[in-house]
Amino acid sequence: DQQVKQNSPSLSVQEGRISILNCDYTNSMFDYFLWYKKYPAEGPTFLISISSIKDKNEDGRFTVFLNKSAKHLSLHIVPSQPGDSAVYFCAAGTRTGGTSYGKLTFGQGTILTVHP
Amino acid sequence: IAGITQAPTSQILAAGRRMTLRCTQDMRHNAMYWYRQDLGLGLRLIHYSNTAGTTGKGEVPDGYSVSRANTDDFPLTLASAVPSQTSVYFCASRADLGNNSPLHFGNGTRLTVT
Repeated sequence: DQQVKQNSPSLSVQEGRISILNCDYTNSMFDYFLWYKKYPAEGPTFLISISSIKDKNEDGRFTVFLNKSAKHLSLHIVPSQPGDSAVYFCAAGTRTGGTSYGKLTFGQGTILTVHP
Repeated sequence: IAGITQAPTSQILAAGRRMTLRCTQDMRHNAMYWYRQDLGLGLRLIHYSNTAGTTGKGEVPDGYSVSRANTDDFPLTLASAVPSQTSVYFCASRADLGNNSPLHFGNGTRLTVT
């Protein structure tokens, strides 16, 4: 049972345009969400997070949107740059208890390619 | 440079052999994790440890064991490797559980079981 799903295995975008990566979750206990970026032969690195009390969080070119009613979050990258080409994982967890407390559940990942 | 060190970087292992993947962090983080990354399945949690002396099972614990004798080290052992354990293994840590402190990952161990 995949509790966090990224249904698009890959996304290709032109440099300067917007990249939108999507993520859906099923566990209503999740109350914070994160995006990680992974380059080949490296470990994932933290990019941006959002708490369930917010619906938007912005950090430079990166914005994460959360729609709790739809159990959906998205990562927007504007403008996209070739260096953004990587695998992007969304992750979810709970801070208040339950079986998921302290642990993160990851999606399958989306390969983003930004063409010059 | 502070961070997580994993060893070995890669390994080819015969089925049935025992193998320990090493993980050391120097950030004094309380919580540590082992994930495996497989194509189309993302990162799946194998085992975790919220603090030294405690461990717990993740989503896919079968065939793996861990120990947490001190804060810094969190080795992952495959008692008798099988081909389905071919994967990239990532160790991670975080400062605490009480807030949304992000995970810090090592660079991974690529394991091939033949």
